[in-house]
This record gives sequence, structure tokens and C-alpha cells, in this order.
Amino acid sequence: IAGITQAPTSQILAAGRRMTLRCTQDMRHNAMYWYRQDLGLGLRLIHYSNTAGTTGKGEVPDGYSVSRANTDDFPLTLASAVPSQTSVYFCASSDETGNTGELFFGEGSRLTVL
Amino acid sequence: GQNIDQPTEMTATEGAIVQINCTYQTSGFNGLFWYQQHAGEAPTFLSYNVLDGLEEKGRFSSFLSRSKGYSYLLLKELQMKDSASYLCAVLDSNYQLIWGAGTKLIIKP
Repeated sequence: IAGITQAPTSQILAAGRRMTLRCTQDMRHNAMYWYRQDLGLGLRLIHYSNTAGTTGKGEVPDGYSVSRANTDDFPLTLASAVPSQTSVYFCASSDETGNTGELFFGEGSRLTVL
Repeated sequence: GQNIDQPTEMTATEGAIVQINCTYQTSGFNGLFWYQQHAGEAPTFLSYNVLDGLEEKGRFSSFLSRSKGYSYLLLKELQMKDSASYLCAVLDSNYQLIWGAGTKLIIKP
């Protein structure tokens, strides 16, 4: 089924550990995004990429890094996890850049940092 | 600052109609989105409004008034499967998406 695949679905992580959340799409969308979703708050953009080879910072980029080596993959790395990074992380893609199009979301990665 | 306001939670009866409101204060406006998110699942696109007026799509309609900074999502003939959170998001002048915290809709039989 075409769409966005995220892995892992769920992870418990010790503080200070490094973690990479994987995101792969097969829709050939140019734009990809990483969001975090916390209870009582709207989705917050961490990083984005308008096209392969380029990335940009969103609203809450500190403690996170991304890369976009090709069109399909957009991994999110936590270099040294902290408890405040406990959240549900959603990867999304869009056929249009600049947020002007419909976003397609992955199923989410639930991360708990202890 | 930029702000999107939605009710936290609403309850409605199966078969009825419910209106979920969204008010926004943003630096500029380039469109408003509604997404549906079932518990534990990904958000899915419902509608996009950039001009004033009502957009109808089956049982769901979305209305926009740019002068009032206001939108609503209207759900008719409610079904149990409509129990979900409904997220309002506004595209500001820099084409940044500003998201509301979502409205949890509970449908009772």
C-alpha cells in the first residue's frame, strides 16, 4: 500500500542515548516533515525538507537533526535523548512545497525517554 | 503571537449534526485545513478553504470567514466512526502551518 512508513512504532529509551526514527515514503513527494504531538498542544514542526538534499528548521528543532539524501527517506535523529522529548512523532509528506498541499502522515512513532 | 482556538472536547448524538469551531489569529493567511485523527492513528486530510464560504464534501462541510478569523467544520448524520479529534490548521503569511490543539468529538448512541 502506497504511503509513509515509520519505524519503530514505539520505543522506550534511556536518557542520553542516541535514537533515529525512520521515515520512508513511496509517493515521490518532494516535501517531507517531522512533527511532534503532545497532549493539549497542536502539532509542532521539528524539521522539514522541501526537496532531496535540502532541510530546514521548524518551530522546535533543538535536540533533533534530519537528513534528506534521497526523495524517499527522511530520518530524524535525537543525538542525546532527554525526557522532554517523550512524545508521538509523525512524519508527513506533501506533493507541494510550502505547506500548500494536503499532508500525508505516517502512523507515528511513540517515544518514551526515561 | 499566533493562535488557533478550538474547543477541547464536544459530545454529540449519533444521527445528529455537530459544528466544530476554529478561530485564529495569525500573521497573514494563506488557507485553512481541517484534519481528522482517530485515537492512536495518523491525521488524515478533510478539507482546505482559502476563500470565504462553505465547501461541502459529503457529510462534512467546512466554512471560512477570513474577515472574522473564523472557520467551522460541520458534520451531518453523525456516525459512531466519526468519534475522533478534529484538527484545525492555518497557513500563515510565511506558509508556516499553525495547528490548533484539536477538538475531541465523542459520539453517543
